[in-house]
Amino acid sequence: QKEVEQNSGPLSVPEGAIASLNCTYSDRGSQSFFWYRQYSGKSPELIMFIYSNGDKEDGRFTAQLNKASQYVSLLIRDSQPSDSATYLCAATNTGTASKLTFGTGTRLQVTL
Amino acid sequence: GAVVSQHPSRVICKSGTSVKIECRSLDFQATTMFWYRQFPKQSLMLMATSNEGSKATYEQGVEKDKFLINHASLTLSTLTVTSAHPEDSSFYICSTRDSSYNSPLHFGNGTRLTVT
Repeated sequence: QKEVEQNSGPLSVPEGAIASLNCTYSDRGSQSFFWYRQYSGKSPELIMFIYSNGDKEDGRFTAQLNKASQYVSLLIRDSQPSDSATYLCAATNTGTASKLTFGTGTRLQVTL
Repeated sequence: GAVVSQHPSRVICKSGTSVKIECRSLDFQATTMFWYRQFPKQSLMLMATSNEGSKATYEQGVEKDKFLINHASLTLSTLTVTSAHPEDSSFYICSTRDSSYNSPLHFGNGTRLTVT
């Protein structure tokens, strides 16, 4: 079982719609969760991080964490074509030298 | 925010040669740097964790004698791919944190290595 799992997609949403990206993790000791966006050929850039159960909002982005269900999600409101990228979910466990484990990423396509 | 500079961004080398990739933290001291590798259409895979002044910790399956990591100062870590082969062609990315173990990783721009 992969430690961090994501649907590879592609997830296609029309411009202006809400994109919902999901991620599950297997290690209950994971404490910190991150969403990165990666454009083709580029390195990942941080979108959001979340440590506590519940929602965290930043502009058009909302991260949701449910530790009981071991589930993390990222909502992108008013999706734009420039949001088209691969979104990587990552988790860190302080018991593993704070390493970050990445999911395989979900490719998002925002269509006009 | 944290700035991580990685160089070179792109390198092409012949099989059997060695390539050095540098990663610098520009406005903070990075005691720990993480080196990742990413093959096309795959996720980032952690290769090793380098700690300033000590030996790097390699992930299972990563050859420490092939991927030499040096973290001699608090602002510079280097990864040397020795005796490169075509299967080493990949996207290599360094990353670090600027504060606590729990804070997000900041990534360098990556190095696209092509071994011919």
